[in-house]
Amino acid sequence: DGGITQSPKYLFRKEGQNVTLSCEQNLNHDAMYWYRQDPGQGLRLIYYSQIVNDFQKGDIAEGYSVSREKKESFPLTVTSAQKNPTAFYLCASSMFGRYYEQFFGPGTRLTVL
Amino acid sequence: AQSVAQPEDQVNVAEGNPLTVKCTYSVSGNPYLFWYVQYPNRGLQFLLKYITGDNLVKGSYGFEAEFNKSQTSFHLKKPSALVSDSALYFCAVRDGDYKLSFGAGTTVTVRA
Repeated sequence: DGGITQSPKYLFRKEGQNVTLSCEQNLNHDAMYWYRQDPGQGLRLIYYSQIVNDFQKGDIAEGYSVSREKKESFPLTVTSAQKNPTAFYLCASSMFGRYYEQFFGPGTRLTVL
Repeated sequence: AQSVAQPEDQVNVAEGNPLTVKCTYSVSGNPYLFWYVQYPNRGLQFLLKYITGDNLVKGSYGFEAEFNKSQTSFHLKKPSALVSDSALYFCAVRDGDYKLSFGAGTTVTVRA
């Protein structure tokens, strides 16, 4: 988990509320990613960003939004439009190029009450 | 799209015995394959990757993986398992310039 921090570790949300998950990296990586993990389904890509002020939708972007104003930071907002937001959220970063592995943060567990 | 499959949800082995976690892939072009491990309520840790070259790839914590092009497989192995190897293991394949597509994961339990 070194080099990537996520906060908070646990987050509780009431239905209808937007919440923002923080992700910061000090690895000087260009690319950053957000994944959602549900039991038995592996990881699914929500959004990714290759450079500052640019990002692309992943496989399950509906109900989520992101920003990339700084190279080090890639916050994820879970909006009230996300029908089933309870999950474990993982942020990752990597260098540019197909050969490079992604490094993951420790994750944020979001629970909707 | 590129994809991987992990055919076993669970693998159970005794400590000291060999451990194998299976992964098969489906790609167009050259496969770039990765293995990660996840401990409870933690992020994923990178173990090893295959890009090109030697079919036997050595990684962290004594793990290795064998790339087999004819069988489209990339199985993770460890000659002698430890109780501390009990975790969730993910195989992944590069899909495009940035995306990784992950398998559903295999839970490994090593009994003392």
